[in-house]
Amino acid sequence: EAQVTQNPRYLITVTGKKLTVTCSQNMNHEYMSWYRQDPGLGLRQIYYSMNVEVTDKGDVPEGYKVSRKEKRNFPLILESPSPNQTSLYFCASKGAGDTYEQYFGPGTRLTVT
Amino acid sequence: DQQVKQNSPSLSVQEGRISILNCDYTNSMFDYFLWYKKYPAEGPTFLISISSIKDKNEDGRFTVFLNKSAKHLSLHIVPSQPGDSAVYFCAARFGNSGNTPLVFGKGTRLSVIA
Repeated sequence: EAQVTQNPRYLITVTGKKLTVTCSQNMNHEYMSWYRQDPGLGLRQIYYSMNVEVTDKGDVPEGYKVSRKEKRNFPLILESPSPNQTSLYFCASKGAGDTYEQYFGPGTRLTVT
Repeated sequence: DQQVKQNSPSLSVQEGRISILNCDYTNSMFDYFLWYKKYPAEGPTFLISISSIKDKNEDGRFTVFLNKSAKHLSLHIVPSQPGDSAVYFCAARFGNSGNTPLVFGKGTRLSVIA
């Protein structure tokens, strides 16, 4: 089954404790992206990657890092989480070329206390 | 400055009637528009899209209309069903590369009442 998976689905952590949210897709997609969803703000892009070793900032990259060492994986790293990073996070992927449809993972709800 | 606006946070419609969700955009360089549907505890799923060279695209009960002069698009759902109850996001893309990031609106929560 074609899918985007994220782990963990739920995470409660404390300020300053480094964490990583993993994202993996099995569709051999070149493009992957991270979004955060906050009430009243919709989906905002954090980082995206057009292919292995190619990453770029989205609209709200501050406080986040990403890496793309393999095509299927695109982890989101919070080196020093803060309460304002409490949010619902979605990973998405898309094939190459002029296909516009992105496939989203199920989401990771992060709470930073 | 929000480039894609969904000004109605919520909408309630009776089952069987038409649901109309609206979206406005400010950037005339957007060339492709998409609608996503999101259920609670799930990721958004693609619903329907339209290129800027068209003014209408239909897929079953779902039709998207684009009015470029007004920078406005709308999603029509006819007839509405209780399973359509979800948050709907409008998204836009600009540039001539398929990898250009999408810009999302804030979403509209549709409730279809049986």
